[in-house]
Amino acid sequence: QTVVTQEPSLTVSPGGTVTLTCASSTGAVTSGYYANWFQKKPGQAPRALIYNTDNKHSWTPARFSGSLLGGKAALTLSGVQPEDEAEYYCLLFYGGAWVFGGGTKLTVL
Amino acid sequence: EVQLVESGGALAQPGGSLRLSCAASGFTFSSYSMSWVRQAPGKGLEWVANIMEDGNRKYYVDSLEGRFTVSRDNAKNSLYLQMNGLRAEDTAVYYCVRDPDCTRGVCFDYWGQGTLVTVSS
Repeated sequence: QTVVTQEPSLTVSPGGTVTLTCASSTGAVTSGYYANWFQKKPGQAPRALIYNTDNKHSWTPARFSGSLLGGKAALTLSGVQPEDEAEYYCLLFYGGAWVFGGGTKLTVL
Repeated sequence: EVQLVESGGALAQPGGSLRLSCAASGFTFSSYSMSWVRQAPGKGLEWVANIMEDGNRKYYVDSLEGRFTVSRDNAKNSLYLQMNGLRAEDTAVYYCVRDPDCTRGVCFDYWGQGTLVTVSS
């Protein structure tokens, strides 16, 4: 069974920078896993942020960026805002199966 | 404006059945793959099922063990999830999700607000 692993929780100060990562139990994450990132706030539907590793949707704030880092997919928030407090989920594509990571709860404090 | 509106969530008995529906508007439904994603209380997101544009290819998470069936009616701009043999662990909010083309990296760009399924006696 494929497992996608994220940090359970991270804390960042307003205006700071934080990087969330996404690892695959099958090995290094490459561009072929088409990493996507989503933001989820309580009581709201998830919102897509990043697709195909490092591409932003038209509605994605510029402070969000995606990349590959040390064999993992990564989501970096630069100049964090209080409204960025949320859970963040990565999604990896395994050719006919889609697997979410367990999510990272980001606290802005 | 893209809109996805789920319905059909309810309280169901273990072993029972439910059919979820998703009404789509604001885009050419027949041109998009669609998925169902769920979130159990206090848990993370889990992809459940995907159906390709023409409805002929379907994919499911392994853990369902054949209990769920995804279908679509392109003439009615609607997506469905038939859920049989329901278990307590199927309790979750179920989201209808548009999938532009995950095989090229664009997955799940628009989400519905979700419908709650509760399985309990």
